[in-house]
Amino acid sequence: NAGVTQTPKFQVLKTGQSMTLQCAQDMNHEYMSWYRQDPGMGLRLIHYSVGAGITDQGEVPNGYNVSRSTTEDFPLRLLSAAPSQTSVYFCASSYRPDEAFFGQGTRLTVV
Amino acid sequence: GENVEQHPSTLSVQEGDSAVIKCTYSDSASNYFPWYKQELGKRPQLIIDIRSNVGEKKDQRIAVTLNKTAKHFSLHITETQPEDSAVYFCAALLFMFSGGYNKLIFGAGTRLAVHP
Repeated sequence: NAGVTQTPKFQVLKTGQSMTLQCAQDMNHEYMSWYRQDPGMGLRLIHYSVGAGITDQGEVPNGYNVSRSTTEDFPLRLLSAAPSQTSVYFCASSYRPDEAFFGQGTRLTVV
Repeated sequence: GENVEQHPSTLSVQEGDSAVIKCTYSDSASNYFPWYKQELGKRPQLIIDIRSNVGEKKDQRIAVTLNKTAKHFSLHITETQPEDSAVYFCAALLFMFSGGYNKLIFGAGTRLAVHP
């Protein structure tokens, strides 16, 4: 049981590049979410999903896309990276919407 | 929009002293309030939570209090130790009655430093 696994752990992108942050969980959790963590801003919800095929926007969804084709995976796509997207990204999963078991995080730098 | 405000942003205490972190929320329908601890370079982890049917909950040296009328809740750490040094986040579950799904919204965090 690996829990919530995020890849990569570190990534540097050039402005305008695209990439996908991967998140996988092996706990059969229905709820999955993506947060970004910035100094002084706490953890802000980007997108979340309540099950396969169902996603919804969080507090800061602009510039990010998600899909949930399986229960296990919830990838986060940056279509055209911007320096403002430099952040630490956390994926979380749970059985209930009031829980959050976090992955180890992905530190993304956009130059 | 709905939000969670957390104060102070930084807190410095001497070992053995108490530390208190306060949060306010705007959604009066919220009924679940967890606290997370994030050590340097690690993931946030749940340390204690409280539901709206109780006013206080304790777990060894940590406790959480809730005032639903005033819409605020607090984390209390007694007899602080250097290993308590971390960033602490409060959160509240927001109910999306107008559509969408219930969401867990976090405060901005408090960086606690416990000095020996």
